[in-house]
Amino acid sequence: DARVTQTPRHKVTEMGQEVTMRCQPILGHNTVFWYRQTMMQGLELLAYFRNRAPLDDSGMPKDRFSAEMPDATLATLKIQPSEPRDSAVYFCASGLTQGAAGYTFGSGTRLTVV
Amino acid sequence: AQSVTQLGSHVSVSEGALVLLRCNYSSSVPPYLFWYVQYPNQGLQLLLKYTSAATLVKGINGFEAEFKKSETSFHLTKPSAHMSDAAEYFCAVSDGVNNDMRFGAGTRLTVKP
Repeated sequence: DARVTQTPRHKVTEMGQEVTMRCQPILGHNTVFWYRQTMMQGLELLAYFRNRAPLDDSGMPKDRFSAEMPDATLATLKIQPSEPRDSAVYFCASGLTQGAAGYTFGSGTRLTVV
Repeated sequence: AQSVTQLGSHVSVSEGALVLLRCNYSSSVPPYLFWYVQYPNQGLQLLLKYTSAATLVKGINGFEAEFKKSETSFHLTKPSAHMSDAAEYFCAVSDGVNNDMRFGAGTRLTVKP
């Protein structure tokens, strides 16, 4: 089965450090999403891309977060500097334009900032 | 902008009983609607989707959902709960234009023996 691959699966870092999370979408999928999941806020849409171009990143704190797609096989989410409140599970999902088929999620990166 | 509301953050049923998880949506255009399931420490898995074809949609693991436009609802049901159904369930909506998918707060399903 085709799958969305996220690395690392777990990350523990100290406050103030830079964190980079990576996502390899399913080959051929042209839409990529980043979500953040916490107990308090549930699933929040941070940003999404279509054909590598950012379409919406209004859910992302711009001062410290950045999302990019250097090429069609890699999406990155960076936090600099990280803060304890960034601790969460970050999910990447990919799919096709129109979204009628739904989107496929990766297994997530569990980030802990201490 | 579209949104979904899931009624009940926790639902508990006995094994073999009917499962009913409620979802109401808000969308200014005909929506695409989805149900996802999340098992502990895993990502979300698509259960089923509605994309303007049949209003009764069948998914994996014996689940189904019915799109009711008049009630703006897309409730998830399963006739007989199994212990393995215990998980978190998310309803989601996309407008098919911007395609950003918005999720409800989730419903945790517990199945008692």
